[in-house]
Amino acid sequence: DTAVSQTPKYLVTQMGNDKSIKCEQNLGHDTMYWYKQDSKKFLKIMFSYNNKELIINETVPNRFSPKSPDKAHLNLHINSLELGDSAVYFCASSQVLTGGDYGYTFGSGTRLTVV
Amino acid sequence: QKEVEQNSGPLSVPEGAIASLNCTYSDRGSQSFFWYRQYSGKSPELIMSIYSNGDKEDGRFTAQLNKASQYVSLLIRDSQPSDSATYLCAVRYGGSQGNLIFGKGTKLSVKP
Repeated sequence: DTAVSQTPKYLVTQMGNDKSIKCEQNLGHDTMYWYKQDSKKFLKIMFSYNNKELIINETVPNRFSPKSPDKAHLNLHINSLELGDSAVYFCASSQVLTGGDYGYTFGSGTRLTVV
Repeated sequence: QKEVEQNSGPLSVPEGAIASLNCTYSDRGSQSFFWYRQYSGKSPELIMSIYSNGDKEDGRFTAQLNKASQYVSLLIRDSQPSDSATYLCAVRYGGSQGNLIFGKGTKLSVKP
């Protein structure tokens, strides 16, 4: 299946731990993103990569570090987790073609709960 | 400041009625506009995209764009209970490599 896949789907961890979320897309898209969706459903951009190169790095704590080993993968590592990091994290990919802009394809999300 | 504004709702309509969802955006240079539907606990899914002024129809959905007024809307005709979801308006800023800025979403409830 062509898709954006994220793992894990659920992540429960204690404050202070370090965790990673993985994302892979097999759509051949050039650009990948991480978004955070808070409890009020607001989707906020964190990072974007185009062909492994960082394009956007919004105001995100240094504890968050994205890594893109190739254009099909964009992982998110979070150090020293805090209660406020609890949210749903979405990976997405996008390709703007001459024929049009088709927006994003989203992964299924990772629900992170910090206790 | 890049902004996309939506009424948060909730918007409640009876089954079979027309649901009207509205969105305004701040950047006059934006070229691509999208409506996503998000069911509770699921990821957003694209339902409509629009790039030119006017209306674009797809089944029961019609997207409307007015760049002069910086306004995008989504009409859902013959609303069904299965349309109950949060609808997110999104605008692409910064060209083809730019990101989508999302509104805070409008929660739609269609009552049988």
